[in-house]
Amino acid sequence: QKEVEQDPGPLSVPEGAIVSLNCTYSNSAFQYFMWYRQYSRKGPELLMYTYSSGNKEDGRFTAQVDKSSKYISLFIRDSQPSDSATYLCAMSEGNTPLVFGKGTRLSVIA
Amino acid sequence: DAGVTQSPTHLIKTRGQQVTLRCSPISGHKSVSWYQQVLGQGPQFIFQYYEKEERGRGNFPDRFSARQFPNYSSELNVNALLLGDSALYLCASSLVSAQETQYFGPGTRLLVL
Repeated sequence: QKEVEQDPGPLSVPEGAIVSLNCTYSNSAFQYFMWYRQYSRKGPELLMYTYSSGNKEDGRFTAQVDKSSKYISLFIRDSQPSDSATYLCAMSEGNTPLVFGKGTRLSVIA
Repeated sequence: DAGVTQSPTHLIKTRGQQVTLRCSPISGHKSVSWYQQVLGQGPQFIFQYYEKEERGRGNFPDRFSARQFPNYSSELNVNALLLGDSALYLCASSLVSAQETQYFGPGTRLLVL
């Protein structure tokens, strides 16, 4: 079992839809959880950073962490064609390297 | 402020050759990490450096090496290139440690023929 599992998609949604992206993990020592957005042939761009469990909201983006279920989510409200990218979840125990999921490819259709 | 910069942007090499990739972190950031991203996969950790010392190493062969300079820039070297080394090589910088927010550069795309 990989440390971090993420459905690679592709996921295709109409403009304006609510998008839900998810990752599961097996290492209960993970404490830091991140979501990165990566456009084609570019480096990952940090979207959300969460420590431990709970929710965090930033504009149209909401990150949720459920440590009891070892499950994290990213919600995108009012999705736009410019949100079309690959979304990577990443996590760390703290003072350890980031462990990434495979990424989910999202297409938002106008 | 400039973000993380990497050079070159693209590189084509043949099997058996050696390659050096370069990274300049965000001003004020002292930690640099290197990742390899194969097409269709998430980034895989290769090295982390802080204050010119190696602080972490991923599961990569000894053909991979790196160093950090006094100005906190870094180089990644790969010897005896294999076809499987073809990937996007990403550099990320953070203030002090790898647990903090890491900011990625645009990457160097390496193709080994």
